[in-house]
Amino acid sequence: SQTIHQWPATLVQPVGSPLSLECTVEGTSNPNLYWYRQAAGRGLQLLFYSVGIGQISSEVPQNLSASRPQDRQFILSSKKLLLSDSGFYLCAWSVGGARQPQHFGDGTRLSIL
Amino acid sequence: AQKVTQAQTEISVVEKEDVTLDCVYETRDTTYYLFWYKQPPSGELVFLIRRNSFDEQNEISGRYSWNFQKSTSSFNFTITASQVVDSAVYFCALSEVRGAAGNKLTFGGGTRVLVKP
Repeated sequence: SQTIHQWPATLVQPVGSPLSLECTVEGTSNPNLYWYRQAAGRGLQLLFYSVGIGQISSEVPQNLSASRPQDRQFILSSKKLLLSDSGFYLCAWSVGGARQPQHFGDGTRLSIL
Repeated sequence: AQKVTQAQTEISVVEKEDVTLDCVYETRDTTYYLFWYKQPPSGELVFLIRRNSFDEQNEISGRYSWNFQKSTSSFNFTITASQVVDSAVYFCALSEVRGAAGNKLTFGGGTRVLVKP
């Protein structure tokens, strides 16, 4: 069966520090991969999605970037964190087209001090 | 552009009461898919159900039921005889048909359900 791993679960970082969040999927090949951010008490905002290695689409201009160095690995990064980067970050995967649900990881709670 | 609206931000009920969550969507696509997800306090999103735009048959699964009405662009979700474990945030989502380019979901703002014992 397919599983998705996301780490770390929680992270406290100072303003201006770099960021690297990692997400890996097991049990499937060539998944679509997604990064979302959820601000406190708010809905989900799609940040990036990828349909293949090295293929990244950005949904909103921001201080973050994403990379997909391997088929089942998706990384969210920043060179310098801002206070506004605080939130709950969720990675998700899907296979196939629009009818297929996305399946989510457990999330990373990021606090910027 | 697609849009999903969940007008209810929070619903509080006493255990065993029924709860209905509203979802209204906007899309220009003639073929689309609708989803409901549950986010318990632990944070992960759990997929509950998918509905095709061309299938308006309503569905019941245990204590959950869904009412899809294309004429009013609504996809409502009912929990019958609610339990404390149903306390969570529930999200409605709409899938943009992009062929082989994945499935981009547009989420509503979520409805927080609090079931009191």
